[in-house]
Parts: sequence; C-alpha cells; structure tokens
Amino acid sequence: DIQMTQSPSTLSASVGDRVTITCRASQSISRGLAWYQHKPGQAPRLLIHDASSLESGVPSRFSGSGSGTEFTLTISSLQPDDFATYFCQQYSSYWTFGQGTKVETK
Amino acid sequence: EEQLVESGGGLIQPGGSLRLSCAVSGFGVSHNYMSWVRQAPGKGLEWVSVIHGDGQTDYAESVKGRFTISRDNSKNRLYLQMNSLTTDDTAVYYCTREEGQSYMDVWGKGTTVTVSS
Repeated sequence: DIQMTQSPSTLSASVGDRVTITCRASQSISRGLAWYQHKPGQAPRLLIHDASSLESGVPSRFSGSGSGTEFTLTISSLQPDDFATYFCQQYSSYWTFGQGTKVETK
Repeated sequence: EEQLVESGGGLIQPGGSLRLSCAVSGFGVSHNYMSWVRQAPGKGLEWVSVIHGDGQTDYAESVKGRFTISRDNSKNRLYLQMNSLTTDDTAVYYCTREEGQSYMDVWGKGTTVTVSS
C-alpha cells in the first residue's frame, strides 16, 4: 500500500498569510495526487487534481505542485473562508489519504 | 446540481449488520466509478469499496468478505451492506464519485455508524 504522510497536522495562521502544506508518498505516484478542503458537517471539496490542476470554481489563491513523492498545496493569501482541514489523496494505486492539516486562526 | 446524500447510519451492536444508502442526483450512478470512504474518530480517511461503471467491485482488505457494495440504477442509488460489524468500523461513511478511476470529485456529507455494545 502507498502511504501518504502529510505535514503539519495543525497550522496556525492569520488572514493574508501564505500557507503551505506538504504531502509525501511512500513511493512514486507520478502526478496522481488530489487536495481537498473539509469543513465540519460539510462534504469534502475537491480543490486540486493531477497535482496541480485547479478544479473548476476553486479560487486561484489555491495552487498545487510536485510530482513523484513530494507535493505541496499553497494558499497564497489566506481568506476567512479558508479555515478548514485540508487533506491529500493519492490515486496512483487504489486510494490513500494523508492524515489532514487543520488550518486554524493564530 | 450533482449531489450525494448518505443515509442509514446509526448505533449497532458488534456482530450486527447495517445497510448504508447514497441517493445520487444530477448524474447517473451507473455511468461512474462510485466509492465509499470512511473516517474513524480521530483518524484519517480510509477508502472502503468501489464499484466500477461496468459493475466490477473492489474492497479494502479491512472489510473484504464483510461489506458488499451495490447500486440500483432504477433508483439511482448506491449501497453498502455491512455485516459482522466490529468497533473498528465505527466511522463517518462518505459516498463519493470518481472521475474515471482517479480523484473523487463529488462527495456527500456522510452518515455516522457507531458500533458499540
């Protein structure tokens, strides 16, 4: 099984901050990686797929990069609506998820 | 609007059975890969099962032989029959749609299953 290691588990930030979340795969997954946003009581929302492709309707302040085993989600300027939990997912071989990163108010 | 709405969760004793349902709207359940994903309390997400457009199914090792995924094309619903439940199956269960056999582009809000005596 491919393991996904996501860091940090919690991130304290302020509105306007640049935020970076990292995901590492236990083996190469090429660009088979997605990022999601999840708020309590809501359905998870797809943000990025294929490592760097922005899903339709997602603000351009979200971006993804990486390939192989190292991936990054960046929020260029954190907005009030962005406080949530973010998780990565590999789909190169079945599906496995990172443990999640909770972005909270500093 | 493409939407998934799960139901059927609840409190069940160890060894019991439960059937989860996912009502699909805005697209056809038969034309897509559909999965169940769960999240146990304090844990990360875990893929549980998938049904392909052609009806082929697959399961995580943790549920193989106990869970069965199915769909009713006429009702446009996805199901997860869960048997021989253990406390390790306690989780929020999400219904998802995959784009091909890749990322999950539509999710439901989830239904909670609690296995406890």
